[in-house]
Amino acid sequence: GAVVSQHPSWVICKSGTSVKIECRSLDFQATTMFWYRQFPKQSLMLMATSNEGSKATYEQGVEKDKFLINHASLTLSTLTVTSAHPEDSSFYICSATVAGGSYNEQFFGPGTRLTVL
Amino acid sequence: AQKITQTQPGMFVQEKEAVTLDCTYDTSDPSYGLFWYKQPSSGEMIFLIYQGSYDQQNATEGRYSLNFQKARKSANLVISASQLGDSAMYFCAMREDDSNYQLIWGAGTKLIIKP
Repeated sequence: GAVVSQHPSWVICKSGTSVKIECRSLDFQATTMFWYRQFPKQSLMLMATSNEGSKATYEQGVEKDKFLINHASLTLSTLTVTSAHPEDSSFYICSATVAGGSYNEQFFGPGTRLTVL
Repeated sequence: AQKITQTQPGMFVQEKEAVTLDCTYDTSDPSYGLFWYKQPSSGEMIFLIYQGSYDQQNATEGRYSLNFQKARKSANLVISASQLGDSAMYFCAMREDDSNYQLIWGAGTKLIIKP
């Protein structure tokens, strides 16, 4: 149980285009979903926290207009990188949690590797 | 000040030996949880073990155990009988109970198991 999927696993796009990444909780309804960014050999950096039906809460320094987050249902959240540039190249990971779980731990998707040319 | 500190950027350990990965934390919240995650080269984050601040006993999950020393604010991960498949990045994380389930992450330790 507690499986989170992400799609696509990796994507290469041209500079200036937009890329959408989907995060789905497959066998549970997620109270909260999180989006992280990870640079090589570094820890996870929280970008935003999103609850179904409400606007995402972005961390300081994360551009809301560049990283659009939509949490349309209890099982789906999307991250759209708008007008992507090479500096947006990174590993993006989503996670989901459900209130009242054993440890309220975050269940992670497998990640999406984005390369912007 | 860093809330989660992992002082070992990397470790080499011989297969079948036990290994301890250090983690210290800082919080003024009396209720919190501590997590360890494993990240292999594939990138997925794998939950290993959890310790609640009020738990009286150290958490154990198979070959993983957590050496929780509350007064010292440390939560070291112990892996017994290490295996080649244990080679990965290991992250310690903390959740303060008033944090909307957010995790604060350590910098990670890269563990390499030598055959």
